[in-house]
Amino acid sequence: DTGVSQDPRHKITKRGQNVTFRCDPISEHNRLYWYRQTLGQGPEFLTYFQNEAQLEKSRLLSDRFSAERPKGSFSTLEIQRTEQGDSAMYLCASSPRLLSGNTIYFGEGSWLTVV
Amino acid sequence: GDSVTQMEGPVTLSEEAFLTINCTYTATGYPSLFWYVQYPGEGLQLLLKATKADDKGSNKGFEATYRKETTSFHLEKGSVQVSDSAVYFCALSDRDRDDKIIFGKGTRLHILP
Repeated sequence: DTGVSQDPRHKITKRGQNVTFRCDPISEHNRLYWYRQTLGQGPEFLTYFQNEAQLEKSRLLSDRFSAERPKGSFSTLEIQRTEQGDSAMYLCASSPRLLSGNTIYFGEGSWLTVV
Repeated sequence: GDSVTQMEGPVTLSEEAFLTINCTYTATGYPSLFWYVQYPGEGLQLLLKATKADDKGSNKGFEATYRKETTSFHLEKGSVQVSDSAVYFCALSDRDRDDKIIFGKGTRLHILP
């Protein structure tokens, strides 16, 4: 078990460009979550998947954001036409969803800087 | 909606001091409660959790007790070390909301040698 893996760990992009982050959850975890964390704040929920189905999207997720989990394994988070306000750490997490109160395991995050 | 409020930091203590970080929550259901820790440059790690009232979570010398009557989950440690310097997040998840975790804003802890 290698834990939740995120790629890339750091990304610097120019405003207006598109970026994509990838998350590989712990194997056999059917729940996958995306969060965003800005400096000095706690992580904020963006969206989550149960297998390949996207079950909830936060109002924070504007139309420029899209997330997929096509085969119920890895997931991608794409940001189109990036803005400076998108600069943050994007965290992925997974859980087995067997019982309530399951531990959610986080990856180390993908830092995005929009210049 | 559900929310978590924790004491603002930074909190600065000397090594071997007693630590308390306060956390209170608001939830419509019966949540599970967590403390996560984030060391510099790293992701979030689960420190401890409690899933029902009066449960005590503990790990690495840290403890927190689920107090339903006061809707609190305060984090304590009897003797802190320099290596405990990190940001601590109180959080809850609600089974009725598909276990989505809601975090507090975090409390930065500095331990001086």
